[in-house]
Order: sequence, then C-alpha cells, then structure tokens
Amino acid sequence: GAVVSQHPSRVICKSGTSVKIECRSLDFQATTMFWYRQFPKQSLMLMATSNEGSKATYEQGVEKDKFLINHASLTLSTLTVTSAHPEDSSFYICSADRGTDTQYFGPGTRLTVL
Amino acid sequence: SQQGEEDPQALSIQEGENATMNCSYKTSINNLQWYRQNSGRGLVHLILIRSNEREKHSGRLRVTLDTSKKSSSLLITASRAADTASYFCATDSDKLIFGTGTRLQVFP
Repeated sequence: GAVVSQHPSRVICKSGTSVKIECRSLDFQATTMFWYRQFPKQSLMLMATSNEGSKATYEQGVEKDKFLINHASLTLSTLTVTSAHPEDSSFYICSADRGTDTQYFGPGTRLTVL
Repeated sequence: SQQGEEDPQALSIQEGENATMNCSYKTSINNLQWYRQNSGRGLVHLILIRSNEREKHSGRLRVTLDTSKKSSSLLITASRAADTASYFCATDSDKLIFGTGTRLQVFP
C-alpha cells in the first residue's frame, strides 16, 4: 500500500509555455502533499506544502505565482509551472502524507524547458 | 540554510563490505529518516528513528542517532551491487529537510 504516482514522468516544453504535473495518492487519502525540486546530483528542496481545500504554503524564495499548486481532492495535487524557462528545468517530486510520520514519494517528473 | 550535511559525499566500496554514511543537522527534531534514491527515480523510505531513540535496525541497515551532537549514521552491512544509489537523511520537525546526500557505489 501507500503508492503515489506522478504524471507525466517526463516532459519537454518550449520556453514560455505552462506545464502541469499531477501527483496522486492511489490507495490512501492525503490531506497534505508536498512538492520538492531536485537539481542534478543535489538534494531535494521543499517548494511548498499542499493542503486539501486550502491554499498551499510556499517555502521562502519560491514564487507562488510561478508554481501554482492546486490540491482539489484528497488524492490529487497538481503543480503548474507557468511561463516556464530553461532555469526551471529540474526533477520535480511530490510526496503524500497519510497521517503517519512517513511521507510516500512519487517517482518524479523530469521537466526540460527548451 | 536548514539543510543537513552528509558525509561522505560519495563512497565506493566492494560487495560484501560495510558502508557508513553520516548526517549532521542543525535544528531540534521529532525524528530523523533515511531515504534511498536510485538515479533519476523517486525516494524510497528506509528507516525512521525518533528523537528519543538511539539506535534502530532493519535488516542490513543500522541507524544511530545522537541528538546531543545533532548527528546520525546509517550503516549498510554486507553491501550488494544493488545497494548502489544515493542515500539521504531527512530531519522532521514540522516538515522534512533533506541532507545533501551520499552517492554510494558498490562494485561487484
């Protein structure tokens, strides 16, 4: 149990376009989901905490108007990278909290902005 | 930065040897967790140790925690080539803060 999926796994887009990444908890409900960003050979950096039915909480330095988060249901959170630029190219990983101390991570989405 | 530090950054060993990774952190914690990440993939939770615990075992994994020194270690015994991955510690206060990671390479 405790499976989290992400879609798409890879996406390539042109500069200036918007990209939506979905994070789903497949077999449990998650009131809280988290979005992380990981650059090559670096650690995960928390971008924002997504709470079902309320606004996301963004970490310092993360632009909320650029990284739009919607947690519309207890099993789905979406991250939209608006007006993407090459510097937004990264590995985006979500995780879901099922009420225990452990977060369950999705497989990640590799975004490449040309 | 709140991010923890891990050392070594990279570790190469032969199969059968033990691998030890260390993690230091800066703030008080509720628990500390270790995760594994294969290249380009998501994270897999390995083990959680609470702030009032000093040592925990899970199969070939042994984790220690010293809250007075704000440090933890992960020991993988009798390593296998399949253990090749990056290993991250993450401290949990009200959110997970990940360490810088150790890239482990186990040669057959």
